Amino acid sequence: EAQVTQNPRYLITVTGKKLTVTCSQNMNHEYMSWYRQDPGLGLRQIYYSMNVEVTDKGDVPEGYKVSRKEKRNFPLILESPSPNQTSLYFCASSLWGPAVEKLFFGSGTQLSVL
Amino acid sequence: SQQGEEDPQALSIQEGENATMNCSYKTSINNLQWYRQNSGRGLVHLILIRSNEREKHSGRLRVTLDTSKKSSSLLITASRAADTASYFCATVDMRFGAGTRLTVKP
Repeated sequence: EAQVTQNPRYLITVTGKKLTVTCSQNMNHEYMSWYRQDPGLGLRQIYYSMNVEVTDKGDVPEGYKVSRKEKRNFPLILESPSPNQTSLYFCASSLWGPAVEKLFFGSGTQLSVL
Repeated sequence: SQQGEEDPQALSIQEGENATMNCSYKTSINNLQWYRQNSGRGLVHLILIRSNEREKHSGRLRVTLDTSKKSSSLLITASRAADTASYFCATVDMRFGAGTRLTVKP
C-alpha cells in the first residue's frame, strides 16, 4: 500500500533532549516536506526536499534539522527541543513537487516538550 | 509568503444541506488543491483544479476557480455526518491556511 509512515505517533520529552521523528515513503517520490500544525495557525512548512541531498528551509525552520540521504527517508531532528516546539507534526511527499502534484501526508506525530 | 486562506473559519450545517467554503490566495498559480483533515489526522487530497480550469467535479464535490479574483470555492452537496472535518486549500509551494472547520449534524 502506498503510504507515508511517520514514527512515533505520540512523543513526550523534556527540554533539551535530542529527538528524531522518522518519515518514510514507499512511492519513490522525489519531494518530501515537514509541517507543523498549531491551533489557529494552520500548517506551516518547516523544511522540504526536492531530491536526495537537496533540502531547503520552509517558513519556520528555526530549531529543526533535516537530512535526505536516501530518497525514501526524510527524518526531522530536534537537537535541543523547547516547549514552543510542542505541536502536531506532519510529513508529506509528492512525486515531483507540490506545484503540479498532490501531496500524500503521514498520520502525524503529536510532540509534547515539557 | 504565498498562502491559501480559507473562509469561513467554521461552518455548521445539518445533514443533507450543502456546504460552501472559500479560499483566497495572493499570487499567480499553476493549480489550486483542496484537502480534508479529520481530527488530528493527516491531510487527504480531495481535488486539484488547474489555472486554466473554471470548474471541476468529483462525486459530491464541486470546485470553482476564479483567477481574476484569486479565489476558489469548494461545494459539498448533500452533506453527511462523515464530512465533518477541516478543509484546506493550498497553492504553489503548498502553503496552507488555518482551514474551514465543517461540522455536519445528523
